Amino acid sequence: DAGVTQSPTHLIKTRGQQVTLRCSPKSGHDTVSWYQQALGQGPQFIFQYYEEEERQRGNFPDRFSGHQFPNYSSELNVNALLLGDSALYLCASRDRGASYEQYFGPGTRLTVT
Amino acid sequence: SQKIEQNSEALNIQEGKTATLTCNYTNYSPAYLQWYRQDPGRGPVFLLLIRENEKEKRKERLKVTFDTTLKQSLFHITASQPADSATYLCALDRGSSNTGKLIFGQGTTLQVKP
Repeated sequence: DAGVTQSPTHLIKTRGQQVTLRCSPKSGHDTVSWYQQALGQGPQFIFQYYEEEERQRGNFPDRFSGHQFPNYSSELNVNALLLGDSALYLCASRDRGASYEQYFGPGTRLTVT
Repeated sequence: SQKIEQNSEALNIQEGKTATLTCNYTNYSPAYLQWYRQDPGRGPVFLLLIRENEKEKRKERLKVTFDTTLKQSLFHITASQPADSATYLCALDRGSSNTGKLIFGQGTTLQVKP
């Protein structure tokens, strides 16, 4: 049983560009959350999706958007990249009807130059 | 303002001793508190969850306590091993309509020396 998978592993972009990160949840999970983790800090909640809709959002600008597909996989899009967007982006999934623990993927390391 | 604080300095202990990590919070009323382990370059791994009406939870060598009066959780690893060396994160979940929106502390790095 595969856990949470994310792609790509690493990404280098230039300021002003746009990026799309992808996540496949653990089998049986219907809820996906995205987090941003700067070096030496704890993860910060970006948003959560279930039933293909954004259900909760953290304190992130509209440049951050997402999508959830019918198979529960998800994308995170960031427009107009800033240097400060450089971070590890983590996807986490859970079974909303069963438990509160979240299963994290390995993350995508985004570097903006 | 709302804040979650963990020991900012790394914790160094000798193998076999008990490691105790602290998580303090202000201006939150968490319904659940979770502890995660994170190794360098990897995603966090869930360890334990404790509810607001629980005082203590155990799993093998791990123990978590939760004091909603002190607004504090303690995380203990007994008989620590070098393999326990990692960063440990506490995370609050306020439950209800906020369920799943985890609010993390900055993490405490534990180093267990043989």
